[in-house]
Amino acid sequence: AQKITQTQPGMFVQEKEAVTLDCTYDTSDPSYGLFWYKQPSSGEMIFLIYQGSYDQQNATEGRYSLNFQKARKSANLVISASQLGDSAMYFCAMRVIQGAQKLVFGQGTRLTINP
Amino acid sequence: DVKVTQSSRYLVKRTGEKVFLECVQDMDHENMFWYRQDPGLGLRLIYFSYDVKMKEKGDIPEGYSVSREKKERFSLILESASTNQTSMYLCASSFRGAAKNIQYFGAGTRLSVL
Repeated sequence: AQKITQTQPGMFVQEKEAVTLDCTYDTSDPSYGLFWYKQPSSGEMIFLIYQGSYDQQNATEGRYSLNFQKARKSANLVISASQLGDSAMYFCAMRVIQGAQKLVFGQGTRLTINP
Repeated sequence: DVKVTQSSRYLVKRTGEKVFLECVQDMDHENMFWYRQDPGLGLRLIYFSYDVKMKEKGDIPEGYSVSREKKERFSLILESASTNQTSMYLCASSFRGAAKNIQYFGAGTRLSVL
């Protein structure tokens, strides 16, 4: 069975610092995709970044990058130069390509950026 | 711009009531999903649909049903609401078969069952 684990329930970071949110995953399928979503207090889930299991390079999207370590089954999200607007819940998710296109989510990490 | 719209942001219902949560997407996506979000548990899949009139159970379908009569609309139904169904409900949609297959979410419906 597929599983996503986020071990940090909450994190507090000073504005402008970089922050790493941890995510480990478990699957026996060789083909899968990993996603990070942001959920501000408004409730909507916002897609941030995607990493495919066969991608050779770590994904980057602006201030977001994904530190993909396949052998360790980890897919940590790195936010550079954090901003107050980054305060939100962050969810790591996995999709098994051969499956029914559904996502399995982790428990989430609440990130708070302090001024 | 991508748009998934959930009919209500907040809903208060009584135990035993029949509850309808509506979701509409304007992106011509084949796949639609209903999730439930609870603190410490993340998002859990209730039901999903990959085509009109098609549905499949997710991880926690008990107490719920769904309806998809049109491609753009996916409804979640609580036949007889119970207090343990108090939760945040999120709808999502995606293309079928795309490599990335990003799911786009609505703003959520916070349901309280009293």
